[in-house]
Amino acid sequence: DADVTQTPRNRITKTGKRIMLECSQTKGHDRMYWYRQDPGLGLRLIYYSFDVKDINKGEISDGYSVSRQAQAKFSLSLESAIPNQTALYFCATKENGRETGELFFGEGSRLTVL
Amino acid sequence: GQNIDQPTEMTATEGAIVQINCTYQTSGFNGLFWYQQHAGEAPTFLSYNVLDGLEEKGRFSTFLSRSKGYSYLLLKELQMKDSASYLCAVMDSNYQLIWGAGTKLIIKP
Repeated sequence: DADVTQTPRNRITKTGKRIMLECSQTKGHDRMYWYRQDPGLGLRLIYYSFDVKDINKGEISDGYSVSRQAQAKFSLSLESAIPNQTALYFCATKENGRETGELFFGEGSRLTVL
Repeated sequence: GQNIDQPTEMTATEGAIVQINCTYQTSGFNGLFWYQQHAGEAPTFLSYNVLDGLEEKGRFSTFLSRSKGYSYLLLKELQMKDSASYLCAVMDSNYQLIWGAGTKLIIKP
């Protein structure tokens, strides 16, 4: 089983719908991240969390919200989806206290907003 | 602004050597990462460099020149499974990662 698991892996929805992407991890890491990936662009950080009570906006947080339900769970919500939120979304974790540590990514959630 | 530049796509032949370049301009520098991403999959970590010079890990080597804002990933003895995108990312002074758009490497038999 993957250490970082994302659900759903694929989702097609309509403009205006609320969508939640979920991420859970068994690595025991405190740090969790949500990124989106678009063709021709680098990964862009949406939100990140260093522990359950710590949530931080990333580069492109508008239109998104997150919830850190537990150390192992970090969910990303789109309150009212729009077509330009069509993208591949990745959850990632990083080992505690290692600022320059590597990121461990989930398998990705492909979201299409019609 | 901060930016990372790397070629969009490269093609190489199985068994050959390929060098993927990455140039960067960032606010401060706390290291440079290379990740590999196969189509439709998650990025996976290849290397981290914070000091100048060449580091070798089997068929993969990475070079960094901080004064030139430049790094490269060298892949030797290319195999078909090396067909993937290679992502360069720099950690700035705030420990935020700035990502390049990735280089898609196509390996031909």
